[in-house]
Amino acid sequence: DTAVSQTPKYLVTQMGNDKSIKCEQNLGHDTMYWYKQDSKKFLKIMFSYNNKELIINETVPNRFSPKSPDKAHLNLHINSLELGDSAVYFCASSQGPPATEAFFGQGTRLTVV
Amino acid sequence: AQKVTQAQTEISVVEKEDVTLDCVYETRDTTYYLFWYKQPPSGELVFLIRRNSFDEQNEISGRYSWNFQKSTSSFNFTITASQVVDSAVYFCALSEGAGANSKLTFGKGITLSVRP
Repeated sequence: DTAVSQTPKYLVTQMGNDKSIKCEQNLGHDTMYWYKQDSKKFLKIMFSYNNKELIINETVPNRFSPKSPDKAHLNLHINSLELGDSAVYFCASSQGPPATEAFFGQGTRLTVV
Repeated sequence: AQKVTQAQTEISVVEKEDVTLDCVYETRDTTYYLFWYKQPPSGELVFLIRRNSFDEQNEISGRYSWNFQKSTSSFNFTITASQVVDSAVYFCALSEGAGANSKLTFGKGITLSVRP
């Protein structure tokens, strides 16, 4: 039974399109995150939510909009996709704050062509 | 300033060798947490260990061991008798503070290749 699940696992789309990535966790955690991993494997936080409330927004372009309908779900919607958005996006959850170990989803590889 | 430094970028060893992955961190907080994650070729991120700033006791888990030294701001990871399955990217991460803004800041990762 997957703890943090993201869909889709792969996403190939054209520039200018709008796309969403969904994330669900069944761990009962209060906090969920989106991280971006670039082509050099560098991992950086984008957003965090605690009990559906936005806590961290790390200077991410407005084209990225997270939505948390409940504390078990954190979706990421991206408008007007650009080539530079190509990356692997990881959803994670933790029982926090403070940050305890974060459990990560399997990642969504987004390729913008 | 980089908060988590993993100076080694790539390490290649032969199976059964011991290997140490270095991690140096920087923080002004007295309460913080340190983590190691493994990212195998399949791409998922696997949690390995968490240490809080008040617990400097070293830890051993099978072939894995961790050496936490506040005096040098280091949290190094040693794999004993490495195996091919240990080939992965290893990330050290830091979480500062005890409030709602706590988040994981990752180092750039170390790519470990274990050759048979």
